[in-house]
Amino acid sequence: LAKTTQPISMDSYEGQEVNITCSHNNIATNDYITWYQQFPSQGPRFIIQGYKTKVTNEVASLFIPADRKSSTLSLPRVSLSDTAVYYCLVGDETGTASKLTFGTGTRLQVTL
Amino acid sequence: EAQVTQNPRYLITVTGKKLTVTCSQNMNHEYMSWYRQDPGLGLRQIYYSMNVEVTDKGDVPEGYKVSRKEKRNFPLILESPSPNQTSLYFCASSLSPPGSRVASYEQYFGPGTRLTVT
Repeated sequence: LAKTTQPISMDSYEGQEVNITCSHNNIATNDYITWYQQFPSQGPRFIIQGYKTKVTNEVASLFIPADRKSSTLSLPRVSLSDTAVYYCLVGDETGTASKLTFGTGTRLQVTL
Repeated sequence: EAQVTQNPRYLITVTGKKLTVTCSQNMNHEYMSWYRQDPGLGLRQIYYSMNVEVTDKGDVPEGYKVSRKEKRNFPLILESPSPNQTSLYFCASSLSPPGSRVASYEQYFGPGTRLTVT
């Protein structure tokens, strides 16, 4: 099972761009990279998903280099409401497509 | 409104007293799953279901049962709860299994059920 490594925590000021990098050295050829956001006492919420290069939606951008061994979630101009835990996930390399494996995530704290 | 609902949201019970946490989704999703979340351990999958009458174990199935008699419902059953099952539980659903041919890992999570077993 592909394993991900991401920083335990990050701090930012409101209005700054935040980049959270995730390492997934053993990512399989068919795996996609997905990011979720979780606020305290709420269920995780899907943010973005990508396979290679760059993906952008109304919430974030996801940058994936050619070797796909890492990825970076970019949050433009964060606000206090972006304070949350962010999870990086990759697919199940066994191909059973049965589950998402969440790590402990990156706790982002945004302050004024 | 498309959503996943769980009941109850909070539950305090005693060791050995059977309980059921209900989960329901109104999006006609085939795939449903249960997770538990504990401090320092992240979310761990308990059971999942690919479709009606199809269920399988996740990473931490011991002490839990599930059933999928209808597409929209996926209850989690604790036959004899123990204190180590005190946790925050989330139900989730998606149109298709994560990583399937549509290559979507977007799951919709319920609001959570905080269970305390004394």
